[in-house]
Amino acid sequence: DSGVTQTPKHLITATGQRVTLRCSPRSGDLSVYWYQQSLDQGLQFLIQYYNGEERAKGNILERFSAQQFPDLHSELNLSSLELGDSALYFCASSPRTGTLNYEQFFGPGTRLTVL
Amino acid sequence: DAKTTQPTSMDCAEGRAANLPCNHSTISGNEYVYWYRQIHSQGPQYIIHGLKNNETNEMASLIITEDRKSSTLILPHATLRDTAVYYCIVRAAGGGNKLTFGTGTQLKVEL
Repeated sequence: DSGVTQTPKHLITATGQRVTLRCSPRSGDLSVYWYQQSLDQGLQFLIQYYNGEERAKGNILERFSAQQFPDLHSELNLSSLELGDSALYFCASSPRTGTLNYEQFFGPGTRLTVL
Repeated sequence: DAKTTQPTSMDCAEGRAANLPCNHSTISGNEYVYWYRQIHSQGPQYIIHGLKNNETNEMASLIITEDRKSSTLILPHATLRDTAVYYCIVRAAGGGNKLTFGTGTQLKVEL
């Protein structure tokens, strides 16, 4: 158990819909990362937040957005869903940012299926 | 971040050492080598990292060649629970904290 929690575990929805994935980082971790893992693209970094502020952006679509709240939990919002958005979405946390020696701790993931 | 090359798959007998190679011939002086693994769609798990010296922890050993162009992750006594995809990642100091995953090596540990 990494200490990172993600809800829901599974999500099935239809094309065009909007969903919200939630992540609670390990106690005390200020940095949250979102990754997407699909069969054809592998594990890809989406976005990072540090203490409530966006810190880095990766291959995140404009239809996707994220935020980190004052209690440090984070939400990833996916809208106008397409079949290709079906994937595993992982959240990870680390104590700080810009400090290389802190590894990232990953949650169990949310499996999104778009029908 | 430097690109890495790993074999697609490897097999290992339970109880034997598993040696997973990684080529990172374009690595720069300030780039670290990290290893993560992912057990069947679970979240990736950190294993070990190093800059140029060999490193060992309770999970594994990391051997980095003197020219730093390649490294080997060693699981000294592989068990069935070590069956996973192992990712070798090269990450620059100060380059942000995102992890860039390649395709990794599928390690299968068998009886």
